[in-house]
Amino acid sequence: AQSVTQLGSHVSVSEGALVLLRCNYSSSVPPYLFWYVQYPNQGLQLLLKYTTGATLVKGINGFEAEFKKSETSFHLTKPSAHMSDAAEYFCAVSVSNSGGYQKVTFGIGTKLQVIP
Amino acid sequence: EAEVAQSPRYKITEKSQAVAFWCDPISGHATLYWYRQILGQGPELLVQFQDESVVDDSQLPKDRFSAERLKGVDSTLKIQPAELGDSAMYLCASSPGQGIGTEAFFGQGTRLTVV
Repeated sequence: AQSVTQLGSHVSVSEGALVLLRCNYSSSVPPYLFWYVQYPNQGLQLLLKYTTGATLVKGINGFEAEFKKSETSFHLTKPSAHMSDAAEYFCAVSVSNSGGYQKVTFGIGTKLQVIP
Repeated sequence: EAEVAQSPRYKITEKSQAVAFWCDPISGHATLYWYRQILGQGPELLVQFQDESVVDDSQLPKDRFSAERLKGVDSTLKIQPAELGDSAMYLCASSPGQGIGTEAFFGQGTRLTVV
């Protein structure tokens, strides 16, 4: 079975500071990995995903994440936080189930607060 | 821009009553998901459809929850009877394929409060 651990349910950063949201995964097969963002009372929106190939993945709004197999990590970063980045961020792992369909497991989420 | 439509946005119901949620996925998306998101947690898959067929309902509490996608397009999720612990956000998502790594597009969700 696969799982995702997001360290830190709440993270606060100052506007302009580095954003680092941590994600570690567990999977018995090579996973694909996602980061989604959720604004209050909204659905989730894809930020970026890792499938195969380049381990440094760039997404929307200046975010990027690096897949590190040896550390089973997929941490999300942004060099300079903006007020509009305040939201909840979910890391997710995707594997293929026995029927050949995608099964996605989400972490509990990290709520990012940006302080002016 | 194509979106996943869900209704209602908010629903308050008394425990033991029946409640239903509707979802219209992006046109052409064969895969449809229903997730439940309890406050402070990540989305948990309830049921996954490929066209009109259920391919994963292992986490669906089948004694009270049911889901259908009769023509392989829109879908309904029903709870009967509702319990206090069912209070949550119910999210519908769709994707153009079922393969690993396929992005899911989410609706805005239905926030259910059971009183």
